[in-house]
Amino acid sequence: DAKTTQPTSMDCAEGRAANLPCNHSTISGNEYVYWYRQIHSQGPQYIIHGLKNNETNEMASLIITEDRKSSTLILPHATLRDTAVYYCIVRVATSSGSARQLTFGSGTQLTVLP
Amino acid sequence: DVKVTQSSRYLVKRTGEKVFLECVQDMDHENMFWYRQDPGLGLRLIYFSYDVKMKEKGDIPEGYSVSREKKERFSLILESASTNQTSMYLCANKRTGGDYGYTFGSGTRLTVV
Repeated sequence: DAKTTQPTSMDCAEGRAANLPCNHSTISGNEYVYWYRQIHSQGPQYIIHGLKNNETNEMASLIITEDRKSSTLILPHATLRDTAVYYCIVRVATSSGSARQLTFGSGTQLTVLP
Repeated sequence: DVKVTQSSRYLVKRTGEKVFLECVQDMDHENMFWYRQDPGLGLRLIYFSYDVKMKEKGDIPEGYSVSREKKERFSLILESASTNQTSMYLCANKRTGGDYGYTFGSGTRLTVV
């Protein structure tokens, strides 16, 4: 799986958009970009994923650059409950019957400030 | 929504005890995983299972075993608990195929004294 680079920490004002960047310059053509977050003392939570096109769901938007070497997770109206560590992961989608492990890096600690 | 339930949120066990951590899913997903999470080390895969009675070692299987007798339940066993197994243990599941995401349980914080 391709390596990712994220800032260690970021702050965001409550109600404003939080933009979390991720670099994955060695990504290959069949690797997806996944985002998870982990609120303190809880298990990680899946947020969103994408391959080439920008994606949006009820939690967030994912913007992937045209060369796919970087992406940005956008939380449009951050709340205090969005304070968490956000992980960007790049991996091949599992198409066979066997499972593949998920490797988490260090992530970005997002702190939403009142 | 898929739910992954871990039986205990906090456990304190003595060195040498046999410890069972239980994980149950409420959907028919094939793949289940056990991770441990330690500060500065991220999530490390202990074991995973892609079907009933099937298991595969992850990166750090030493000192652990697993059991998957039914599709919905994946148990992690510490044969003889040691203090270096004090950690947050996370169970996860995933549907086979495509680009599905993982669903994690809330975690069990195990302290071995």
